[in-house]
Amino acid sequence: DGGITQSPKYLFRKEGQNVTLSCEQNLNHDAMYWYRQDPGQGLRLIYYSQIVNDFQKGDIAEGYSVSREKKESFPLTVTSAQKNPTAFYLCASRRTSGPDTQYFGPGTRLTVL
Amino acid sequence: DQQVKQNSPSLSVQEGRISILNCDYTNSMFDYFLWYKKYPAEGPTFLISISSIKDKNEDGRFTVFLNKSAKHLSLHIVPSQPGDSAVYFCAASELLQGAQKLVFGQGTRLTINP
Repeated sequence: DGGITQSPKYLFRKEGQNVTLSCEQNLNHDAMYWYRQDPGQGLRLIYYSQIVNDFQKGDIAEGYSVSREKKESFPLTVTSAQKNPTAFYLCASRRTSGPDTQYFGPGTRLTVL
Repeated sequence: DQQVKQNSPSLSVQEGRISILNCDYTNSMFDYFLWYKKYPAEGPTFLISISSIKDKNEDGRFTVFLNKSAKHLSLHIVPSQPGDSAVYFCAASELLQGAQKLVFGQGTRLTINP
């Protein structure tokens, strides 16, 4: 079964700690994305990657970091520099040829205490 | 500056009737538009899309209309079913330096009443 997995579903961390959110896809998609959703708002782009070993900042990259060492994996680290880290985080992927549709994982709810 | 706007935070429709969700955009460089459906604490599910060279795309109960001159798109669901109750996001696609970026609206919560 092809798809995007994000783990864990719920994550709790103390303020000041870095935390890494996992995103894995077996769709053979080249491009991967990280979004953040806050209550009553749309999705906002944090980082994206078109190919392995390359990534670009999105609209709200401050306080976040990513890596893309493998095509299947695009982990997101929420650092202590992120002022309001509590949110719902969504990972997506897309083929870079063909339709422009991005497909999403189930999301990770991060709560910083 | 919100480039994609869904001005109705919520919409309530009777089962069996038509649901119409609206979306406005400001950037004329957007060339592809998508609608996603989202349940609480889940990832968005792709519903339907439309290229800027078309004005209508249909898939079963879902039809998307694009009015480029008005920079407006709408999603029609007919007939509406209870399982359609969810938050619907419109998104607009732009190619920047070879990379696709999606810009999302704030979402419209659709409730289908029996």
